[in-house]
Amino acid sequence: QKEVEQNSGPLSVPEGAIASLNCTYSDRVSQSFFWYRQYSGKSPELIMSIYSNGDKEDGRFTAQLNKASQYVSLLIRDSQPSDSATYLCAVKDSSASKIIFGSGTRLSIRP
Amino acid sequence: DTEVTQTPKHLVMGMTNKKSLKCEQHMGHRAMYWYKQKAKKPPELMFVYSYEKLSINESVPSRFSPECPNSSLLNLHLHALQPEDSALYLCASSLPQQTDQKEQFFGPGTRLTVL
Repeated sequence: QKEVEQNSGPLSVPEGAIASLNCTYSDRVSQSFFWYRQYSGKSPELIMSIYSNGDKEDGRFTAQLNKASQYVSLLIRDSQPSDSATYLCAVKDSSASKIIFGSGTRLSIRP
Repeated sequence: DTEVTQTPKHLVMGMTNKKSLKCEQHMGHRAMYWYKQKAKKPPELMFVYSYEKLSINESVPSRFSPECPNSSLLNLHLHALQPEDSALYLCASSLPQQTDQKEQFFGPGTRLTVL
C-alpha cells in the first residue's frame, strides 16, 4: 500500500513568518509531487508541482524535493491570514494513473 | 478556458431517487476523475477515465455509475444511495499519464446530501 504522510496539525504560525509543511512518501519510484491548498468547504487548488530534486520557487511559495529521503516540503514566506487552509501533499503513483493524497496539514496564520 | 466546471453545486436526494452529477472541461485533457471527500479527510479516488475509457474503478459500489460521453464530459449517475454517501463529490482532469505534466485540476465540487 503506497502512502503519503503529513502531520495533521493544526500548525499555527504568526503573520509574516515562514510556514513549513512537510510530507513523506513510500513510493520510491514516484517522479511527480504536488501541493494543493483547500479552504474549508471548497475544492483543492493546485499551488505547486515539483518533479526534480531541489527547490522550486513560485512567488511566496517554495517546494523542496529530496527523492533519496522520500521527502517533499512546502515553505510559505511572509505568511498571510489568507494562507490559513488545509494543505494536501500528493504523489503520483508510479504504477497507475492516479495520485495519492496525504491526510492534509491544517495551517492557521495568526494576526 | 482553464477550468473544470461541475453541476449542480448542491444536491439533496432521497434514498430512492436517481440523479446525475455532471463535469465538464475544455482544456483538452484526456484523463478525468471522480473523487469523494468527507469532512476533514483527503479526496478519495472513485473512478478514472483515460481517453474516454474507464481505467480505474476503486471498488466503488454499483449505486455509483460513471459515464464519459466524450473527451470533455464526465457524468456520475446516482441510484439508491445511502445517507453515508453524503459528501463533496469532486471532478478533476489532467493530461494523460504518458505526458510529463501530471497535474490534476479540480472542479468546485457538488455537495451531496442523501436523506
